[in-house]
Amino acid sequence: QQQVKQSPQSLIVQKGGISIINCAYENTAFDYFPWYQQFPGKGPALLIAIRPDVSEKKEGRFTISFNKSAKQFSLHIMDSQPGDSATYFCAASNEDSNYQLIWGAGTKLIIKP
Amino acid sequence: DTEVTQTPKHLVMGMTNKKSLKCEQHMGHRAMYWYKQKAKKPPELMFVYSYEKLSINESVPSRFSPECPNSSLLNLHLHALQPEDSALYLCASSQGGGGSRAGANVLTFGAGSRLTVL
Repeated sequence: QQQVKQSPQSLIVQKGGISIINCAYENTAFDYFPWYQQFPGKGPALLIAIRPDVSEKKEGRFTISFNKSAKQFSLHIMDSQPGDSATYFCAASNEDSNYQLIWGAGTKLIIKP
Repeated sequence: DTEVTQTPKHLVMGMTNKKSLKCEQHMGHRAMYWYKQKAKKPPELMFVYSYEKLSINESVPSRFSPECPNSSLLNLHLHALQPEDSALYLCASSQGGGGSRAGANVLTFGAGSRLTVL
């Protein structure tokens, strides 16, 4: 119930293309859904986050789409660039997890020039 | 200053050694965290300090001993580690207390300390 399932495990996208990473959850009480980006040799950094009262949030080339009924949320990276190559983690939290993040398994994204 | 600074960046230690990892933040954040990250895996929560008090210990073996000397500093003391403890150890901080909704909002991570246990 506390799991967050992330797919795909790895993704290769051509420069300029759209990268899409998906996450699914079971616990309908989750109320915060962030995406973290991690470059090799660095710690994760918050990229974008959404709460379930909205269906979409956009920040520059990055968009979270949230489907409450399907219990799914996804990250879309428009006009993907080689500098976007990183590992992306989705996560969720709520009172049940003491507001600590429940992490997805991660997606290694490679953008080919 | 929006950084979490971790030292050392790399540490190699034997199973009988005692060493410490250090973490510092000057953002006025009131919660600080230790995470362990194995290759190609997400971070695993180890400890949370909220307002300088240990609020969460995720059943971590006693060979890992956290310490929070003040609101800006967090240490992780290591003793009698096993080779399977080799990992990237990440420190993070958040503005609110570690158990609060506000505290969950944004974690700021350091670059990590890469630990190798021989």
